[in-house]
Amino acid sequence: GIQVEQSPPDLILQEGANSTLRCNFSDSVNNLQWFHQNPWGQLINLFYIPSGTKQNGRLSATTVATERYSLLYISSSQTTDSGVYFCAVGGYQKVTFGTGTKLQVIP
Amino acid sequence: GAVVSQHPSWVICKSGTSVKIECRSLDFQATTMFWYRQFPKQSLMLMATSNEGSKATYEQGVEKDKFLINHASLTLSTLTVTSAHPEDSSFYICSARDSPRKTTSALMAQHFGDGTRLSIL
Repeated sequence: GIQVEQSPPDLILQEGANSTLRCNFSDSVNNLQWFHQNPWGQLINLFYIPSGTKQNGRLSATTVATERYSLLYISSSQTTDSGVYFCAVGGYQKVTFGTGTKLQVIP
Repeated sequence: GAVVSQHPSWVICKSGTSVKIECRSLDFQATTMFWYRQFPKQSLMLMATSNEGSKATYEQGVEKDKFLINHASLTLSTLTVTSAHPEDSSFYICSARDSPRKTTSALMAQHFGDGTRLSIL
């Protein structure tokens, strides 16, 4: 099956700093999404981005499908951004989650 | 928007008991629901795909007799962990798929519950 690797696995930021999270996938995909899993385990949709660039407030994402990677940018990080970020790729039947990046934003 | 309710959110029980987790789509019909398992500090792993009115499809390595899945209606799927043991302790998350015709992505059509934290003593 498809392999989805994320980097870095762990990241500690000072509040206000910027960061880039990466998602590499091993095969062509039609769908790609970024999630934020909060400390209570809830999955929060961030972006649906199979290709191109999108922005939502302090967050933006870019997917280069031909090169099989996606990037999630977090600017001016806040403590509420802490948690685990997953990318996930899928088709009609199955979703494969990436390995995750655990982000900790300290005041 | 599409809401998926998962219950209970947290359960602690003794080794050897069976535990049932419910996943309900509240405002849409879900012909397909998915069950994921997440170990601490790890990613979500698909356990099985549940189709309304038919047998579930289990991923390789998942014990069918241990994790019983029933999808008896278009709004409810249940996962029963039978004769649970401490190694079954984990975070379980369900998702329900809305009609893909309504969205531009089959992945987007999956709506996730808030998860169930299962601890077996």
